[in-house]
Amino acid sequence: QVQLVQSGAEVKKPGASVRVSCKVSGYTLTELFIHWVRQAPEKGLEWMGGFDPEDGETIYAQKFQGRVTMTEDTSTDTAYMELSSLTSEDTAMYYCAASVDYFDSWGQGTLVTVSS
Amino acid sequence: DIVMTQSPDSLAVSLGERATINCKSSQSVLNSSNNKNYLAWFQQKPGQPPKLLIYWASTRESGVPDRFSGSGSGTDFTLTISSLQTEDVAVYYCQQYYSTPYTFGQGTKLEIK
Repeated sequence: QVQLVQSGAEVKKPGASVRVSCKVSGYTLTELFIHWVRQAPEKGLEWMGGFDPEDGETIYAQKFQGRVTMTEDTSTDTAYMELSSLTSEDTAMYYCAASVDYFDSWGQGTLVTVSS
Repeated sequence: DIVMTQSPDSLAVSLGERATINCKSSQSVLNSSNNKNYLAWFQQKPGQPPKLLIYWASTRESGVPDRFSGSGSGTDFTLTISSLQTEDVAVYYCQQYYSTPYTFGQGTKLEIK
């Protein structure tokens, strides 16, 4: 059973960057594909990016291109998502999700608040 | 990008009655090489992450009650709850994982009538 544990809530000022971590247990990162999904307050789910097995690389949603970086540290089985140039519209819950095909395990979420 | 459209946006059903949520994709999510529909359904309760209910359009995730079922193929899919329980109050999302970006429907809010 895969378990994903994310880092704690963050408060950032506009223009800053945030890095969220996602620690994997029960499997190793090399056995899974990690994706990042965000959810603005009272809104739906939005895929930000993740590993595409068809392309063999990490793919980012066009909306976040140039502003998001997703990395992995296989020595600690931890995935990271860094989002830069934050605005108030980036205030949201950020989730990591693990897949081989479908997203069968999710982290608990990390609330990122952007406020001056 | 594949656009996922759910209907209705909200739904109120009496306890013990059937609830049906529809999901339509803007292009087929059926992979003809393995005959699998790359379509999943999730349940999300307030303050919780999404929970996988159904994958491959009709395969129930382990531990999910059998009152939940998924059907459909190609571009049209349905999530059915055969006999609504109080614990089923939630928002339900469909998602295609056929091609990136892996898009979600807008969500359907299910309440008790």
